[in-house]
Amino acid sequence: QQQVKQSPQSLIVQKGGISIINCAYENTAFDYFPWYQQFPGKGPALLIAIRPDVSEKKEGRFTISFNKSAKQFSLHIMDSQPGDSATYFCAATPGGFKTIFGAGTRLFVKA
Amino acid sequence: KAGVTQTPRYLIKTRGQQVTLSCSPISGHRSVSWYQQTPGQGLQFLFEYFSETQRNKGNFPGRFSGRQFSNSRSEMNVSTLELGDSALYLCASSLGEDSRSDTQYFGPGTRLTVL
Repeated sequence: QQQVKQSPQSLIVQKGGISIINCAYENTAFDYFPWYQQFPGKGPALLIAIRPDVSEKKEGRFTISFNKSAKQFSLHIMDSQPGDSATYFCAATPGGFKTIFGAGTRLFVKA
Repeated sequence: KAGVTQTPRYLIKTRGQQVTLSCSPISGHRSVSWYQQTPGQGLQFLFEYFSETQRNKGNFPGRFSGRQFSNSRSEMNVSTLELGDSALYLCASSLGEDSRSDTQYFGPGTRLTVL
């Protein structure tokens, strides 16, 4: 099954709070899990990515947590800022140059 | 380095027509992927080209086709347009050498409207 299920569909967080977006997959062949950030009128841009042999990766305020046994991974945005307001996509690559995207989460950070 | 460029940025066509979209990848990138983005279906993978060969394909009808030239530039063609083809078409380029760390760089997209 080549699907990536993403939740929630939308998220409102207070400035300074933690934004959490969750994704789940079924295909154990997925071997690369990037997250993309998209602003209106722009194409998606890579935010952070992880491989399944690592349980957590942190880059600045962004952290990916990966649970291989549960086939789930999540993005945590610490100290969320209004400038983080965008649509976030989780994705997975099934052992080749073909990326499967989640449905996206629209994040709004209230000032 | 210049980013991924896509032309045209906006396009309006009528049902039954055909359309060609163009993508120029980042210099040195040999892989170009195409995606269709719609509010209802999200980002759907169309196909990926590497060194002028289609290496991966999504689940789209044969009306959707593409090609890549020797300079890595790519074109996507949609024939016999349908209303449901209205979408943002995104092109992404990458080195295309290791799928486990292949960073894709997206262009701004071509907004296609079919009337």
